[in-house]
Amino acid sequence: QVQLVQSGAEVKKPGASVKVSCKASGYTFTSYYFHWVRQAPGQGLDWMGIINPSGGSTRYAQKFQGRVTMTTDTSTSTLYMELISLKSEDTAIYYCARVRYYESTGYNDYWGQGTLVTVSS
Amino acid sequence: QSVLTQPPSVSGAPGQRVTISCTGSSSNIGAGYDVHWYQQVPGTAPKLLIYGNNNRPSGVPDRFSGSKSGTSASMAITGLQAEDEADYYCQSYDSPLSDWVFGGGTKLTVL
Repeated sequence: QVQLVQSGAEVKKPGASVKVSCKASGYTFTSYYFHWVRQAPGQGLDWMGIINPSGGSTRYAQKFQGRVTMTTDTSTSTLYMELISLKSEDTAIYYCARVRYYESTGYNDYWGQGTLVTVSS
Repeated sequence: QSVLTQPPSVSGAPGQRVTISCTGSSSNIGAGYDVHWYQQVPGTAPKLLIYGNNNRPSGVPDRFSGSKSGTSASMAITGLQAEDEADYYCQSYDSPLSDWVFGGGTKLTVL
């Protein structure tokens, strides 16, 4: 069965960076794209970007351009999301989510359990 | 400010029917992009509920249904149950932004 297991909670100081991992299993890793989505406390879902594990091509949401880097390690079926220059507003739960395509758009059929990143001085 | 607009909250008694709307524009839903719906119980990750406007993944009860028309979509829940109490999000794609977009979420309360 498909499983996405993310790394544990992180506490960072403003200005620092964080790297969250997401290990996939139960299917062919390079066959599906992935989204990263975040959710600030008490807020809604915020799309951060998409990565193709086959080749590593990425597209980032404009609000995160220049601060986020998404990568993959196909040898371990693991995705990574690094966010730099952290601010208190980056405090959120970060999710990886597998993308499946239906006609015109992709949707997320499997989600990681989420990683809480807290930014505090 | 979300690109897709949902009501902040809806409520209904057990057994009733509720609908949640998702209003977009000509650059996303109105451009023909599909709408997908997720259920999120507080403290857990979102779960896919409806994909491609009106399709249910295996395991999702047929009490949940979706539709799309013009620049809007909606999801209906019939035979409301206490376990349906959760937050619900719509998702689509926005062509000018070339981004996936979510609605702001709707909190469903079962009275």
